[in-house]
Amino acid sequence: AQRVTQPEKLLSVFKGAPVELKCNYSYSGSPELFWYVQYSRQRLQLLLRHISRESIKGFTADLNKGETSFHLKKPFAQEEDSAMYYCALSGRGATNKLIFGTGTLLAVQP
Amino acid sequence: KAGVTQTPRYLIKTRGQQVTLSCSPISGHRSVSWYQQTPGQGLQFLFEYFSETQRNKGNFPGRFSGRQFSNSRSEMNVSTLELGDSALYLCASSYSGSYNEQFFGPGTRLTVL
Repeated sequence: AQRVTQPEKLLSVFKGAPVELKCNYSYSGSPELFWYVQYSRQRLQLLLRHISRESIKGFTADLNKGETSFHLKKPFAQEEDSAMYYCALSGRGATNKLIFGTGTLLAVQP
Repeated sequence: KAGVTQTPRYLIKTRGQQVTLSCSPISGHRSVSWYQQTPGQGLQFLFEYFSETQRNKGNFPGRFSGRQFSNSRSEMNVSTLELGDSALYLCASSYSGSYNEQFFGPGTRLTVL
């Protein structure tokens, strides 16, 4: 079964603390993994994807095929990072279908 | 350039009625996908259209249908509404092919009474 699991509904950290948002997936094959973010009163938007191997707003995510994980990390959290974060996967082939996790609300306290 | 637009933004219907939601993609985007977002089930894929053809479909009953026009604008229709259809319906557009960044609209909030 194709599935994305985000075990934490809420992650609360203090400003300057490291952040790790967990994401595990189940997929028969080699999926493409994404992190989407939704800031308060804004649209859902792409944060980063594993194929690009880039760092966006200080966030990075490494695909671990052995553990089927794609955790999102940032060494020093900022208050503006507070948002809802969704991990998602897309299968290979001609499709843009995304399978989303249930999301993790990151709250960065001052 | 203008983002993805969805109309209407809010809708209230009663059980048994039908509803049509509209999505206008970013200019040049040929793929339009629809998602249902609820507190209980999260974001679930409904279907994707590309060049007026349904390219992929999620696990929703036949009451949910969609179409895409030659200008890439898309509509989704829900017939015989049920209380459980109350949700935020999101539309996303992207260029052709897979792995393209999807740009989401603001959503249509449907309430079924």
